[in-house]
Amino acid sequence: DQQVKQNSPSLSVQEGRISILNCDYTNSMFDYFLWYKKYPAEGPTFLISISSIKDKNEDGRFTVFLNKSAKHLSLHIVPSQPGDSAVYFCAASPTGTASKLTFGTGTRLQVML
Amino acid sequence: GAVVSQHPSRVICKSGTSVKIECRSLDFQATTMFWYRQFPKQSLMLMATSNEGSKATYEQGVEKDKFLINHASLTLSTLTVTSAHPEDSSFYICSARVEGVGIQYFGAGTRLSVL
Repeated sequence: DQQVKQNSPSLSVQEGRISILNCDYTNSMFDYFLWYKKYPAEGPTFLISISSIKDKNEDGRFTVFLNKSAKHLSLHIVPSQPGDSAVYFCAASPTGTASKLTFGTGTRLQVML
Repeated sequence: GAVVSQHPSRVICKSGTSVKIECRSLDFQATTMFWYRQFPKQSLMLMATSNEGSKATYEQGVEKDKFLINHASLTLSTLTVTSAHPEDSSFYICSARVEGVGIQYFGAGTRLSVL
């Protein structure tokens, strides 16, 4: 039972363009969402988070959008840079303090020169 | 962000031996740490929640006698894979939660290979 889904296993984007990574969830108890970036053989690095009381959170080149009614969130990276190439995981928690995260399956982003 | 150190980064052991993995929060105290396992090209699967001063909470299907967790201080949690077998070979990652912030910060992971 995959409660957090990232339906696109991979995404290729030209440098300078926008990258949009999508995530869907099924558990209506989730109210805190996070995005992590991961390189092979390394632990995930926290990027950005959003609480369910918001529909948008922005941090530099990264913006996360949340559509609660659709149970959908997305991560926008603009402009995309080659160093952004990695696997991106969305994660969700049923509380505001991320007590227990459920991870999506990941999307591999490749930013091409 | 907060720094979490995980050691060792890679370990190769013989079948039947035990392996200990350490997870330390370097610049903050963590009453709660988490242990995950990642199989190739798959997501991170939570194994257990490590609570300082009390017993760990294991996820369904995770053998507590196989994966021993100790959280003896506010900055250190250890995972011991007992009597390791080749099927235990995997990438193990720990994280620590920053209280009141709601974010988990991850260690670099440990690649365990059991021969």
